Amino acid sequence: DGGITQSPKYLFRKEGQNVTLSCEQNLNHDAMYWYRQDPGQGLRLIYYSQIVNDFQKGDIAEGYSVSREKKESFPLTVTSAQKNPTAFYLCASSIERLAGHTGELFFGEGSRLTVL
Amino acid sequence: AQSVTQLDSQVPVFEEAPVELRCNYSSSVSVYLFWYVQYPNQGLQLLLKYLSGSTLVKGINGFEAEFNKSQTSFHLRKPSVHISDTAEYFCAVSGPLRGGNKLTFGTGTQLKVEL
Repeated sequence: DGGITQSPKYLFRKEGQNVTLSCEQNLNHDAMYWYRQDPGQGLRLIYYSQIVNDFQKGDIAEGYSVSREKKESFPLTVTSAQKNPTAFYLCASSIERLAGHTGELFFGEGSRLTVL
Repeated sequence: AQSVTQLDSQVPVFEEAPVELRCNYSSSVSVYLFWYVQYPNQGLQLLLKYLSGSTLVKGINGFEAEFNKSQTSFHLRKPSVHISDTAEYFCAVSGPLRGGNKLTFGTGTQLKVEL
């Protein structure tokens, strides 16, 4: 079945450590996204990528980094510079690039990061 | 820039009762509107969307929403809810971002269906 796979589902890390969250899709979608979800705040866009080897900052990119070396993969690194990294992280993809994008996203099941 | 307001953070309702989850948006340009549902510890999935045409949009699981341009609203309704509808519901609007459109989400409404 086609879809988006995020791993790990749960992750615990010590303060000051970098963490990389994996996101893989086999939907052949061009665009991929990372969102952060906190209780009562909805989803906030961290980074997005419209095409391989290109990505753009979203609303809350500080303390995060991404890469897009392959169409299928869009890993997110939560660096030690992120002041409040404990959150639920969601990866998504869309068949359209942002130009003409109608907002239909396909989501993974999320990764819950807890920093101790 | 566009924004979305979901007026209720939690909505409790008894099984088989009707429900309405409210959503208002603001945007200076034409927008596309969406409702997504999130079950516990899962990602979001699309319930329904309004792109153009008929203002009454039907989605999955018996949900529907009505686009009201004059009131800038896109409320979600279901005439009879089931226990399995317990989830968090997000309203979203798609509008301009550099190079294309951006999806902006509301803060979510937790629907709790009780026996």
